[in-house]
Amino acid sequence: SQTIHQWPATLVQPVGSPLSLECTVEGTSNPNLYWYRQAAGRGLQLLFYSVGIGQISSEVPQNLSASRPQDRQFILSSKKLLLSDSGFYLCAWSALAGVDTQYFGPGTRLTVL
Amino acid sequence: AQKITQTQPGMFVQEKEAVTLDCTYDTSDPSYGLFWYKQPSSGEMIFLIYQGSYDQQNATEGRYSLNFQKARKSANLVISASQLGDSAMYFCAMTYNNNDMRFGAGTRLTVKP
Repeated sequence: SQTIHQWPATLVQPVGSPLSLECTVEGTSNPNLYWYRQAAGRGLQLLFYSVGIGQISSEVPQNLSASRPQDRQFILSSKKLLLSDSGFYLCAWSALAGVDTQYFGPGTRLTVL
Repeated sequence: AQKITQTQPGMFVQEKEAVTLDCTYDTSDPSYGLFWYKQPSSGEMIFLIYQGSYDQQNATEGRYSLNFQKARKSANLVISASQLGDSAMYFCAMTYNNNDMRFGAGTRLTVKP
């Protein structure tokens, strides 16, 4: 069966520091991968998605970036964090692009102070 | 533009009763998918049920059923025989031809003993 991992689970970082969140998927090949952010008490906002190694599409312009160095690894990064980057970051995968179920990881709760 | 609307910020239901969570959507695309996810306090998004735009019958998964009314553009979630463990945030979501899954604002369900 497929499983999706995210780490760290929680992170507290000062403003201006770098960020690296990692997501890995097991039990499937060539998944579509997604990064979402959820502000407190709100729905999810799609940040990036990837249909293959090195292929990244950005949905929202911001100071975050994403990379996919391996088939089942998706990384969310920032060179300098802002206070507004605080939130709950969820990684998801799907087998197909377009209309397909997305399965989510446990999430990373990021607090920028 | 594609949009998902959940008009109930919070709902209460007595244990063992049924509850309906409302969701309406707006799209001009003929091919789309509708999803419901459960988010307990731990934060993980748990997939519950899926309905395709061309599906003739309403989707069911155990105690969950989706009341799909295409002409009204509604996709309400019905939870039968509510349990205390059903207390959580519930999100309606939609995907269409691209990789963008749009989420509603969510409904917080509280099951009373």
